[in-house]
Amino acid sequence: AQTVTQSQPEMSVQEAETVTLSCTYDTSENNYYLFWYKQPPSRQMILVIRQEAYKQQNATENRFSVNFQKAAKSFSLKISDSQLGDTAMYFCAFWNYGGSQGNLIFGKGTKLSVKP
Amino acid sequence: GAGVSQSPSNKVTEKGKDVELRCDPISGHTALYWYRQSLGQGLEFLIYFQGNSAPDKSGLPSDRFSAERTGGSVSTLTIQRTQQEDSAVYLCASSPRGGGATNEQFFGPGTRLTVL
Repeated sequence: AQTVTQSQPEMSVQEAETVTLSCTYDTSENNYYLFWYKQPPSRQMILVIRQEAYKQQNATENRFSVNFQKAAKSFSLKISDSQLGDTAMYFCAFWNYGGSQGNLIFGKGTKLSVKP
Repeated sequence: GAGVSQSPSNKVTEKGKDVELRCDPISGHTALYWYRQSLGQGLEFLIYFQGNSAPDKSGLPSDRFSAERTGGSVSTLTIQRTQQEDSAVYLCASSPRGGGATNEQFFGPGTRLTVL
């Protein structure tokens, strides 16, 4: 069974600084995707970034980038130039597209606070 | 509508009562998912519908939980004889196709269920 672990329950960062959120996962599969979702206080889950496991190049989306280390099964999220609107819960998620499983497997989340 | 909608936004009920939670997915999305988010926890998969196939019910925690999806669109999650441990946010998500290349799931705002 696949598992996703986020070892930082809470983090804080000063506005305009850079912060890195950690995520590790466990799987014996080779064909999978990894995601970072953001959940602000409104509860609306929003996809931040995704990474295909077969791609070596790290995904980037504006201020958000990942450090994907497949051998180490690590998938961290870096937020540059943090903004107050980045304050939210961040969830790391895994999807095995090689199987019949359709659902995502989520970590327990990291609560990020951006301070002015 | 443009996104996934859920109703009600909040539901307070008494222990032992039955509740129904509704999800309207994005039009045209064939896959629909229900997740449960308990306080301080990640998202726990409950059930997955894909087109006309039999749903994947492997995440339902007990036989008090059931879900239907009518006409391949709207879904209702029913919890019978609610217990206090059922208190959580119930999130619905849809995606264009369950086994797609990216499986990006679009989430609704959730229903917060409180069982007194």
